[in-house]
Amino acid sequence: GAVVSQHPSWVICKSGTSVKIECRSLDFQATTMFWYRQFPKQSLMLMATSNEGSKATYEQGVEKDKFLINHASLTLSTLTVTSAHPEDSSFYICSASIEGAKEGYTFGSGTRLTVV
Amino acid sequence: GIQVEQSPPDLILQEGANSTLRCNFSDSVNNLQWFHQNPWGQLINLFYIPSGTKQNGRLSATTVATERYSLLYISSSQTTDSGVYFCAVELNSGYALNFGKGTSLLVTP
Repeated sequence: GAVVSQHPSWVICKSGTSVKIECRSLDFQATTMFWYRQFPKQSLMLMATSNEGSKATYEQGVEKDKFLINHASLTLSTLTVTSAHPEDSSFYICSASIEGAKEGYTFGSGTRLTVV
Repeated sequence: GIQVEQSPPDLILQEGANSTLRCNFSDSVNNLQWFHQNPWGQLINLFYIPSGTKQNGRLSATTVATERYSLLYISSSQTTDSGVYFCAVELNSGYALNFGKGTSLLVTP
């Protein structure tokens, strides 16, 4: 089945700095990847849809200038949290699927971001 | 948007017991998946089940698409089954998954 690799697994950064999270599809091409955010004891909330070669689509309430998404190739999407603040501390996770395959979506292992 | 409701929100079982988790959704869907989120946050795909019944070891799932619900059965529960179980649906092909709020399961020795 599809495998999605995400890193780093965890990161601690200072307020005001930027953090980049990578999500790679292994052994398959992903024209679309999805980025989710999960706060403690809550469900996963879709942040944005990442499309290869075009601009990402952001969900309502997600600041596109703060959460920069780049999907420059068919196997790599990146999420950059710019000028991070403590309230951005969360669990970020990406997902993708093999188009046409009846196996659903696979998720990366997630990135736990702590902003201090 | 589509509503996904899971019940119960919390569940405590003694090892060896059986349980049924339910997922109701408000619209026709292209896809439904059940996930187990482990303590490290990783989402483990349990079932891709837009309709019908599937079994995998002690776990099985049934989706009745016409009645817009799905059930996840856990038999002979083990402490390693603890964690949060999410139901997620895809409205149309290529859309993102919409997640329910999850069922938090604790299996005690």
